[in-house]
Amino acid sequence: GESVGLHLPTLSVQEGDNSIINCAYSNSASDYFIWYKQESGKGPQFIIDIRSNMDKRQGQRVTVLLNKTVKHLSLQIAATQPGDSAVYFCAEIDYGKLTFGQGTILTVHP
Amino acid sequence: GAGVSQSPSNKVTEKGKDVELRCDPISGHTALYWYRQRLGQGLEFLIYFQGNSAPDKSGLPSDRFSAERTGESVSTLTIQRTQQEDSAVYLCASSRSGVGNEQYFGPGTRLTVT
Repeated sequence: GESVGLHLPTLSVQEGDNSIINCAYSNSASDYFIWYKQESGKGPQFIIDIRSNMDKRQGQRVTVLLNKTVKHLSLQIAATQPGDSAVYFCAEIDYGKLTFGQGTILTVHP
Repeated sequence: GAGVSQSPSNKVTEKGKDVELRCDPISGHTALYWYRQRLGQGLEFLIYFQGNSAPDKSGLPSDRFSAERTGESVSTLTIQRTQQEDSAVYLCASSRSGVGNEQYFGPGTRLTVT
């Protein structure tokens, strides 16, 4: 079966800083995007989603930006906290097919 | 080497019947995850196995759902008394160890409950 492997770059920030995590997607037909957070020893957790007819969506301390022209997605975390340390990955949905983008390991230093 | 495999690729079952889904992870991968994806929706975490540790079952939606894993090998996800709301694609992934390592996903099992 087809498998998708994730390459995991790292991002280190100081507590209180804003974090920006980036993701490039490949399918211009994808109409729905999701950011997930996965903490050590736990399964992934949904953070925020955005549909292709939007370019920005805000949640609690998080903002997702979508640039369809260059097929780029970003997750901004305001006032990053140690509890935000985790692996973050994006996913794109195209007619029910899920494709994960690159994941990023975020480490927040007190 | 072979990637993560899942079987069956498609399963149609009648409401109320039990189903069993299988996942064969990549050899040597100690971590195994099950996810559910409903059409047009995001990925829902179901359960996570890491080596011999107690699995993280926090994502299982009800007691009709259970999963087992034999050592660091095959895993089965069982859904008892299936309901139409269980219709979804069930994805399995494995990684060398836990979080922070690359996850490799299988093709999924598309479950349809009629």
